[in-house]
Amino acid sequence: EDKVVQSPLSLVVHEGDTVTLNCSYEVTNFRSLLWYKQEKKAPTFLFMLTSSGIEKKSGRLSSILDKKELFSILNITATQTGDSAIYLCAGSTNAGKSTFGDGTTLTVKP
Amino acid sequence: GAVVSQHPSWVICKSGTSVKIECRSLDFQATTMFWYRQFPKQSLMLMATSNEGSKATYEQGVEKDKFLINHASLTLSTLTVTSAHPEDSSFYICSAGYGTFQETQYFGPGTRLLVL
Repeated sequence: EDKVVQSPLSLVVHEGDTVTLNCSYEVTNFRSLLWYKQEKKAPTFLFMLTSSGIEKKSGRLSSILDKKELFSILNITATQTGDSAIYLCAGSTNAGKSTFGDGTTLTVKP
Repeated sequence: GAVVSQHPSWVICKSGTSVKIECRSLDFQATTMFWYRQFPKQSLMLMATSNEGSKATYEQGVEKDKFLINHASLTLSTLTVTSAHPEDSSFYICSAGYGTFQETQYFGPGTRLLVL
């Protein structure tokens, strides 16, 4: 059975801090690792990672995949209160089916 | 681009009625759509994978006669919760596969179902 584990489950930081969110996966026929941000409604897409060692960046967010260790991290630098959300990672197969982790709830305090 | 809509966003119904939720990809064609259920403070639970023109593939433990899925076109999939009961109350989210392998999923805004 495919499995995705995220850590920590929750995190509280202050504005300006840097955070690292972790995601490990065991997915048969793995194709991609995806990161999503979920606020009040449905998740919004952040990154798709397919190759090892290639960092993807979007503003203060960045992510990297290690296919040997079956691991990915999501970094957020200079956090803002608007970064408060649940961050979900998902392992996706060649058939497009995704298995989601339980998410990391990030709270950024002013 | 890659916008997915879902309708309705809120449903309140009586026990025993059926509820239909629509999921549309607005600016792209999606051969694969996914239906998820999410309980408060929990992650997304995949219910079924919906492929255009063929029968949906249901995850273990999901009753296919209870949750009817139809993917009649490349831009529309529907989920019908038949004879809804209070335990069916949940947040239902659809997503549409995007990209060569449909692996990037764009989510609809979700439908909150409350069964009284």
